[in-house]
Amino acid sequence: EPEVTQTPSHQVTQMGQEVILRCVPISNHLYFYWYRQILGQKVEFLVSFYNNEISEKSEIFDDQFSVERPDGSNFTLKIRSTKLEDSAMYFCASRAGSRYKLFFGSGTQLSVL
Amino acid sequence: AQKVTQAQTEISVVEKEDVTLDCVYETRDTTYYLFWYKQPPSGELVFLIRRNSFDEQNEISGRYSWNFQKSTSSFNFTITASQVVDSAVYFCAMKTSYDKVIFGPGTSLSVIP
Repeated sequence: EPEVTQTPSHQVTQMGQEVILRCVPISNHLYFYWYRQILGQKVEFLVSFYNNEISEKSEIFDDQFSVERPDGSNFTLKIRSTKLEDSAMYFCASRAGSRYKLFFGSGTQLSVL
Repeated sequence: AQKVTQAQTEISVVEKEDVTLDCVYETRDTTYYLFWYKQPPSGELVFLIRRNSFDEQNEISGRYSWNFQKSTSSFNFTITASQVVDSAVYFCAMKTSYDKVIFGPGTSLSVIP
């Protein structure tokens, strides 16, 4: 079964550094998402992306965050200047057009020191 | 307001017992989707079911069943004859407005052998 792939599985960075989290959505999917989950807490929506534009974003997704689909396969989340509170598991998800079913990647655990 | 509530934070059952996980949602939309996701200890998010607001038929899939009641804004999930492999955090979720899925806080289920 096709799957959403995220790399790296674990990223450690220093506070203030920029990080880029990478995702390869399922190939025929058109809608892309980032979610995050702080340890032991609920899964929080960050942003949705369709047709090379942000469709919707949450209050968490401030100017420090950006998303990009630089080519036909990758979907990236950039955090410009990481903070301690950005430490979380970041999940990428994608879906095809007609059926609202999100497929999630296995996540990138981001640790900001 | 759009909200998903899972009042049960943690549940423990003995193997082979039945268990019901509660989910209550709030929305003013007449069209919406509800979901259940499973997050096993390995951390990935596994899709279990999607239900749209126009389909109140209950669904059974093997040992899993779901009871959707619009009158009480509930979408409960029952596992029959629970097994140790069912131990996980279970999230109820709802698609709101345009293109955003919000998650409940999750219920941690432990199935004891």
